[in-house]
Amino acid sequence: AQKITQTQPGMFVQEKEAVTLDCTYDTSDPSYGLFWYKQPSSGEMIFLIYQGSYDQQNATEGRYSLNFQKARKSANLVISASQLGDSAMYFCAMTLYGGSQGNLIFGKGTKLSVKP
Amino acid sequence: DVKVTQSSRYLVKRTGEKVFLECVQDMDHENMFWYRQDPGLGLRLIYFSYDVKMKEKGDIPEGYSVSREKKERFSLILESASTNQTSMYLCASSLRTASSGANVLTFGAGSRLTVL
Repeated sequence: AQKITQTQPGMFVQEKEAVTLDCTYDTSDPSYGLFWYKQPSSGEMIFLIYQGSYDQQNATEGRYSLNFQKARKSANLVISASQLGDSAMYFCAMTLYGGSQGNLIFGKGTKLSVKP
Repeated sequence: DVKVTQSSRYLVKRTGEKVFLECVQDMDHENMFWYRQDPGLGLRLIYFSYDVKMKEKGDIPEGYSVSREKKERFSLILESASTNQTSMYLCASSLRTASSGANVLTFGAGSRLTVL
């Protein structure tokens, strides 16, 4: 069965430092996509970054990068130069392209707190 | 600005009541989803729909039903609310799944339901 594991329930980081949020996934399907979403205290889920299983390069979006290690089945999110506004829940998610109609399987999330 | 709108941000209902959670998207998306979010459990898929009048069970459909009579509207129904259905409910939509590429889910702000 497909599964996403986020082993860090909570993380602290000093403002302006970089932080890595861990995510491992489990699937035997060769075609899949990996996502990271941010959920501030307001509750809305915000899409951050995407990595396809066949993508050769690690995805980057501004201060966000996805460290994709396919053999290890990991898709860690790296946030550079943390800001106070980065304090939120972060969810790793996966979709399979083999007929799942696009629904995402989510991990349990990591709560990131940025300290001034 | 594209949007997924959930009609009620906060609801308080009594055990045994019938509850309707409404979701409307203005992006002409084919796929729509209902997730439930609980602390420590992440997001779990209740139902999804990939076309009008079509529906598929997710991971936790028990106690819920859905309705999709129009493309833009996806309703979640609790036929007889119970206290264990107290939760945050998130609606999302996306384009029809391609064989690859980022099928990003766009989420609504959530509906926090309390069943007394």
